[in-house]
Amino acid sequence: GENVEQHPSTLSVQEGDSAVIKCTYSDSASNYFPWYKQELGKRPQLIIDIRSNVGEKKDQRIAVTLNKTAKHFSLHITETQPEDSAVYFCAAPGGYGGATNKLIFGTGTLLAVQP
Amino acid sequence: DVKVTQSSRYLVKRTGEKVFLECVQDMDHENMFWYRQDPGLGLRLIYFSYDVKMKEKGDIPEGYSVSREKKERFSLILESASTNQTSMYLCASSFSLRFTSPSSYEQYFGPGTRLTVT
Repeated sequence: GENVEQHPSTLSVQEGDSAVIKCTYSDSASNYFPWYKQELGKRPQLIIDIRSNVGEKKDQRIAVTLNKTAKHFSLHITETQPEDSAVYFCAAPGGYGGATNKLIFGTGTLLAVQP
Repeated sequence: DVKVTQSSRYLVKRTGEKVFLECVQDMDHENMFWYRQDPGLGLRLIYFSYDVKMKEKGDIPEGYSVSREKKERFSLILESASTNQTSMYLCASSFSLRFTSPSSYEQYFGPGTRLTVT
């Protein structure tokens, strides 16, 4: 089955700087890679996702890149703001061949944006 | 708006007690999930249900069981609570890939139940 590794576990940046979180996956058939954000005391929510037929996707200050050859994908946050402070989780489909309803989550990255 | 609710935000139980955690979703989702969240370990899947009365073990099913008698409700049961089951428990739901496009992997989470076993 799929295995997802996420780095770093903690990340501290100054307001206005960029933040990058990286994940690797093991199943080359995986075809969908979401990112969830969990603010303190709140539930995880999907913020952006990417399918395996594209290399990059952007939504305002956040972007996700995918390298299928190397089997890794990254979340990029530009011009960070204090409200970006949260735990971020990457995920990949949890079954063989990518056709599954399950997601396997990374261990999370605690992002702290210092004002 | 998708709504996933959990029966309790905080729960304190004693070792050996039987514990029920309830989750309800109002979006007619086929899939429902129970996760456990611990610092440094991320979200770990305990059990997954893809239809009424259907279930599948996740990565850490030991010590847990589940019940899904109605489509909107998924229960997590700790048969005999132990201190190492102290954790945050998150329920989630999603559409099934059998009925929707692959764009519907999105899982919607409940607010979580902080369980303490003493």
